[in-house]
Amino acid sequence: DQQVKQNSPSLSVQEGRISILNCDYTNSMFDYFLWYKKYPAEGPTFLISISSIKDKNEDGRFTVFLNKSAKHLSLHIVPSQPGDSAVYFCAASSRGSNYKLTFGKGTLLTVNP
Amino acid sequence: GAVVSQHPSWVICKSGTSVKIECRSLDFQATTMFWYRQFPKQSLMLMATSNEGSKATYEQGVEKDKFLINHASLTLSTLTVTSAHPEDSSFYICSARGAPQSYEQYFGPGTRLTVT
Repeated sequence: DQQVKQNSPSLSVQEGRISILNCDYTNSMFDYFLWYKKYPAEGPTFLISISSIKDKNEDGRFTVFLNKSAKHLSLHIVPSQPGDSAVYFCAASSRGSNYKLTFGKGTLLTVNP
Repeated sequence: GAVVSQHPSWVICKSGTSVKIECRSLDFQATTMFWYRQFPKQSLMLMATSNEGSKATYEQGVEKDKFLINHASLTLSTLTVTSAHPEDSSFYICSARGAPQSYEQYFGPGTRLTVT
């Protein structure tokens, strides 16, 4: 039973355009969400997070939007750069789970020059 | 800040032998460390949670006797894969959490284990 779903295995965008990565979750107890970026054979790197009490968090080129009623969040990258090409993981957590992270399967983003 | 290292970065071992992987938090004290496993093109699956000075908590389906976890200090946790078999070949990643009630985890670079 997958509690965090990233339904798009891959996404390809042109340099300079916006990249939108989506994530859905089923567990209403999740109260914190994180996005990680991962290169092959490396550990994930933290990008940005959002608490369930907010609907938007912005950090430079990265913005995360949270729609609690739809149990949906998205990561916007604008403008996209070739160096953004990587696998992006959505993760969710809750106090009740002792802050353990539940990951989606990831979306491979390719930014073409 | 918040750097986590893993050693070794890759290891090849023969079936039946044991392999130890170290996870260290280099610039902070980690009250809790986590061990994950990732299969190709799959998500990171949490194997166990280890708290310094206490026994690890394993996720459902993870064999405690096969994957031994020790968290002897606030900066070091080890995962020992005992009597390794080819199906244990995978990418093992650790993470560390500094504050007890923090959501954010800092990940190590991972260890590629190949069992022949």
